[in-house]
Amino acid sequence: QITLKESGPTLVRPTQTLTLTCSFSGFSLSTFGMGVGWIRQPPGKALQWLAIIYWDEDVRYSPSLRSRLSITKDTSNNHVVLTMTSMDPLDTATFFCARTVTTGCFDFWGPGTLVTVSS
Amino acid sequence: HSVLTQPPSVSGAPRQRVTISCSGNSSNIGNNGVSWYQQLPGKAPKLLVYYDDRRPSGGSDRFSGSKSGTSASLAISGLQSEDEADYFCGAWDDGLNGPVFGGGTKLTVL
Repeated sequence: QITLKESGPTLVRPTQTLTLTCSFSGFSLSTFGMGVGWIRQPPGKALQWLAIIYWDEDVRYSPSLRSRLSITKDTSNNHVVLTMTSMDPLDTATFFCARTVTTGCFDFWGPGTLVTVSS
Repeated sequence: HSVLTQPPSVSGAPRQRVTISCSGNSSNIGNNGVSWYQQLPGKAPKLLVYYDDRRPSGGSDRFSGSKSGTSASLAISGLQSEDEADYFCGAWDDGLNGPVFGGGTKLTVL
């Protein structure tokens, strides 16, 4: 059974750095072709891809947010960590992590975690 | 605005068939597989279709995908009240070097 779950703060102050952890089970990020990505969704709005990390350490970032993002993996402990700097109230969103084994497709998703940016 | 274009809303009566369109360009839909997701209120997206027209194992055959050129469609047959949700299309974009999504379509079952 494949599961993913996001964890991290629910409230972040403006200018602070957000750190989120995706804990997963049922697959290994050392398997050829495997990847884990982060996607966010502002309230009532569309999905926006943020970053992906692959089994071979290859990482991809959304061009518009590249300077603020960092994604790393801990294969032994089945974790993927996303950091996002200089948080702004406009970054308030539900953040999802999801597995990808097919280019551009996410087949299993975590339940998501709502992060509010407010002073 | 989203890279892929979807209608904001569609509706249909129970047992009817509806289609949701998704328009892109040669960098995304025109050169890569399209996926479709269903998002029930307050829930995470769920994969319905990948590689344009393939269903995940255990997926319902009431959902079917198709693609022509730089546009794709999701058809939902035998509409049920539980199909009321937001539907998103997605595809890899070669120019952005990452996945892109549509703005989402809200399905209302009348």
